[in-house]
Amino acid sequence: GAGVSQSPSNKVTEKGKDVELRCDPISGHTALYWYRQRLGQGLEFLIYFQGNSAPDKSGLPSDRFSAERTGESVSTLTIQRTQQEDSAVYLCASSFKGGGNTEAFFGQGTRLTVV
Amino acid sequence: DAKTTQPNSMESNEEEPVHLPCNHSTISGTDYIHWYRQLPSQGPEYVIHGLTSNVNNRMASLAIAEDRKSSTLILHRATLRDAAVYYCILKAGTASKLTFGTGTRLQVTL
Repeated sequence: GAGVSQSPSNKVTEKGKDVELRCDPISGHTALYWYRQRLGQGLEFLIYFQGNSAPDKSGLPSDRFSAERTGESVSTLTIQRTQQEDSAVYLCASSFKGGGNTEAFFGQGTRLTVV
Repeated sequence: DAKTTQPNSMESNEEEPVHLPCNHSTISGTDYIHWYRQLPSQGPEYVIHGLTSNVNNRMASLAIAEDRKSSTLILHRATLRDAAVYYCILKAGTASKLTFGTGTRLQVTL
């Protein structure tokens, strides 16, 4: 079946513009995660959804970042007034449920470049 | 989240077994041991996970020490396609996120 799908795969935007990144999780997966990976760096957790609520938003770096999820389906990560430091690959993952005894499946990411 | 410690890098010859170690001395009783890998320019990929018993799947084997303070990911025959960063992560039974460390960069040579 289809994996986690992210769009666009690449996005170049001007500093100060808003961007929306989309994630389509695997059908039936209730848990959804967003991560950020700057060039040559590790993965930073941003936010976790269980269904359409977000019990853990602890990784969102500033109030310019927000995310929403519609039911147990698509999620959108929005970055307002983008800055050059926002340049990174944004990765989405989903899992059948939350908790420790379940694996997560990652998308290929959206590469965001702020110029 | 409890911490894990992995070597920064390892090398292996193709078609030989690879043993990737992970120390997690502060693991709690409800923490699952997860392994993911990230190939160049790709998103992370699930490899295997376990709680107490050793686990096998089509990709690898996971050997867990009896006291659970360490574990080893075993790739039975390394190929060039196995060159990646391998992450050992502890995930509590009720946890949500995976917290990635710096992992082990595995190089596979002919």
